[in-house]
This record gives sequence, structure tokens and C-alpha cells, in this order.
Amino acid sequence: GAVVSQHPSRVICKSGTSVKIECRSLDFQATTMFWYRQFPKQSLMLMATSNEGSKATYEQGVEKDKFLINHASLTLSTLTVTSAHPEDSSFYICSARIAGVSYEQYFGPGTRLTVT
Amino acid sequence: GNSVTQMEGPVTLSEEAFLTINCTYTATGYPSLFWYVQYPGEGLQLLLKATKADDKGSNKGFEATYRKETTSFHLEKGSVQVSDSAVYFCALSDPDSSYKLIFGSGTRLLVRP
Repeated sequence: GAVVSQHPSRVICKSGTSVKIECRSLDFQATTMFWYRQFPKQSLMLMATSNEGSKATYEQGVEKDKFLINHASLTLSTLTVTSAHPEDSSFYICSARIAGVSYEQYFGPGTRLTVT
Repeated sequence: GNSVTQMEGPVTLSEEAFLTINCTYTATGYPSLFWYVQYPGEGLQLLLKATKADDKGSNKGFEATYRKETTSFHLEKGSVQVSDSAVYFCALSDPDSSYKLIFGSGTRLLVRP
């Protein structure tokens, strides 16, 4: 149980285009989902917290107009990287918190974004 | 603020050696503590957790004990295998920070046959 999927697993896009990444909780309802960014050989950096039905809360230094987050249902959150540039190339990982269980997060397998 | 400090890697061991990866934390509240493992090209998997002082988390031969007096949560395994090669992240979740996960920098473990 507690499986989180991400789609796509890899994406290559051209500079200036937008890319959407989906995060789904497959067998549970997730009131809260998180989006992280991980640079090579580094730790995870929390980008934003996404609550179902409300606006995402972004961490300091993360551009909310560039990284659009939508959490339209209890099983789906999306991250859209708008007008992507090569410096946005990274590994993006989402996690989901089970409704009613406050501290545990379950992670998706990650999405490798490469902007050329 | 909250933070997690892990020992620098990489850690290179021979198969069947004893493993310790040190982790210490700073937190304002009463955090839960976690160890996550990341295999190459994959997301994170929860390895074990402890939610209060003196709790011991264990899974797949790995253990860690929540030590409030030393603010530590060191990861140990008595006999490592090649398949344990991965990056290990220590993390805390603090109710005073809306249960956000704060990660350490990660420690890469390489186990040689």
C-alpha cells in the first residue's frame, strides 16, 4: 500500500517550453502533497506544499509563477515548469501524506527533467 | 531552526562489514525521525522511522535508535550486502513546522563484494 506514481519518469524539452509533471497517490487519499527538487549528488530541497483544493505554499526563493502547482483532487497534484530553461534541469520528486496521518510521507519515483 | 547533519560520504565497505552512518539533529519541538534510502535513478523509500525518544526503528537488518539526550539517530547494520549500495538520507518531521520533512545531505554507501 501507499504507492505514489509520477509521470513522466523522464522528459526532455526545449528551452522556453512548459512541462507538466503529474503526481498520483494510487491507493490512498492525500490531502497534502509535497514537491522537491534534487540536484545531482545533493539532498532534496522542498519547493512547495500542495493542499487539495487550495493554493500551494511555496518555500522561500521558489518562483511560484515559474513552478505552477495544482492539487485538484485527493489523488492528483501537478507541477508545471513554465518557460523552462537549462538551469531548471533537475530531478523532481513528489511525496504524499496520507489523510489523517500527519507525519509520514510517501515518495514518488521522481521525474528527470532535461531542458535543452 | 530545524536541521539535520549527516556524516560525509562516500562510505565504502566490504560485504558483511558493519555499517554506521551518523546523524544528528536540531529541532525546536518533538520531531519524528526517519531514514530514507535512494537507489540510483529512483525516488526515496522509507527505510525506518522512530516517533519518540528511545524508540528503535528497524527494517531489513537496519536499525536506528532515537536518542534525545544526544540528539542523534545513527543508522546501523551488522552485515552489509552489495545490494545495500545506495544513498541514505536522515530526516526529521517537526509538528512545529507543519510536519515538513527536513533532510540531511545524504550519505552514499558503496559495498564491494
